[in-house]
Amino acid sequence: QKEVEQNSGPLSVPEGAIASLNCTYSDRGSQSFFWYRQYSGKSPELIMFIYSNGDKEDGRFTAQLNKASQYVSLLIRDSQPSDSATYLCASGDSNYQLIWGAGTKLIIKP
Amino acid sequence: KAGVTQTPRYLIKTRGQQVTLSCSPISGHRSVSWYQQTPGQGLQFLFEYFSETQRNKGNFPGRFSGRQFSNSRSEMNVSTLELGDSALYLCASSLPDGFDGYTFGSGTRLTVV
Repeated sequence: QKEVEQNSGPLSVPEGAIASLNCTYSDRGSQSFFWYRQYSGKSPELIMFIYSNGDKEDGRFTAQLNKASQYVSLLIRDSQPSDSATYLCASGDSNYQLIWGAGTKLIIKP
Repeated sequence: KAGVTQTPRYLIKTRGQQVTLSCSPISGHRSVSWYQQTPGQGLQFLFEYFSETQRNKGNFPGRFSGRQFSNSRSEMNVSTLELGDSALYLCASSLPDGFDGYTFGSGTRLTVV
């Protein structure tokens, strides 16, 4: 059974601090990894994707992938109250199917 | 460019009825996936269509079915509705290999009474 695990939270971070969200996956054949943000009552929105080991930066967001440890993380620098949402991690396998984590609820405290 | 369009946005149906939901993908996206989302279960994968063929399937009963048309638009159908089918149904479209990510529509909120 392919699984993606995330801590459900809530993760509470002060405004302006770095928020660190983590995700582990079970399928070593996973080739692509995605982070989505979902506000309450809205649909998921793609933040970043990463395929290669290492870091990928986009503005305040950095995705980190470690395939040896089967670990993906998302760092949000200078956290803002508008970053408060549920963050979903997903891995893509060779059959183009996404396996989703249950999401981590992030709360940014002003 | 236009996003993923799902219709209708809201539906109220009675137990035992059937329902059809529609999804129009982003232009150029030929893969369409369907998900069910409930507060307690998170995102549950229903099925994925590519080039009018079901490419992947989740663990839902046969009451849940779908199809894709030649213009990549997709429909999903739920027959003999049960109270537990009340959920947000999301569709997501992508390029065939999905490597650029999946774009979600706004969803259809289905309530079964």
